[in-house]
Amino acid sequence: DIVMTQSPDSLAVSLGERATINCKSSQSVLYNSNNKNYLTWYQQKPGQPPKVLIYWASTRASGVPDRFSGSGSGTDFTLTISSLQAEDVAVYYCQQYYNIPRTFGQGTKVEIK
Amino acid sequence: QVQLQQSGPGLVKPSQTLSLTCAISGDSVSSNSVAWIWIRQSPSRGLEWLGRTYYRSKWYSDYAVSVKSRITINPDTSKNQFSLQLNSVTPEDTAVYYCAREMGAFDYWGQGTLVTVSS
Repeated sequence: DIVMTQSPDSLAVSLGERATINCKSSQSVLYNSNNKNYLTWYQQKPGQPPKVLIYWASTRASGVPDRFSGSGSGTDFTLTISSLQAEDVAVYYCQQYYNIPRTFGQGTKVEIK
Repeated sequence: QVQLQQSGPGLVKPSQTLSLTCAISGDSVSSNSVAWIWIRQSPSRGLEWLGRTYYRSKWYSDYAVSVKSRITINPDTSKNQFSLQLNSVTPEDTAVYYCAREMGAFDYWGQGTLVTVSS
């Protein structure tokens, strides 16, 4: 199984400041034949299912504000919230869809400082 | 707009079978470009992919090794839905269970069902 490890487990950021979450996979999730990284980022708020923010490691899902961006390739990925808003308080997960079983990171809790 | 509506009991006794259904609207369970997924979430295990069913000229399924001996995910084309059966449950199976559609990412999710395994 591909193990997904996020860091940090939690972070507190002031409103308007940048939040950065890292995700590392135990093996590459880059598929060489199409040069795509099979990596998604989700946002989960209490009592709700996760919501897709980013797929293919860097493509924003429809309706997602452009303050959210994803980067990285191979085994190292980053989710950046460029200017934290109050509504961004949530837990964020990375997930690989390179192979079966699909696996998630343990989550990063983002709070307001 | 795709919607997934989950149904099933929230309380199951140990050693019995957990059964949940996910009704699909806005897409077809027989679509040959997506997969239909069950995931669970608990404080101890986080988000755990349980398995999937999908149609590519015939039906396929894949399951997590951790539950492979106890799980069945079945499509129901007549009702445009799919189901989860998890046998011989223990308190360790207590979790919020989600169904979802996989089209690359898990782009649509059910509302979640808290299933408690307790006598």
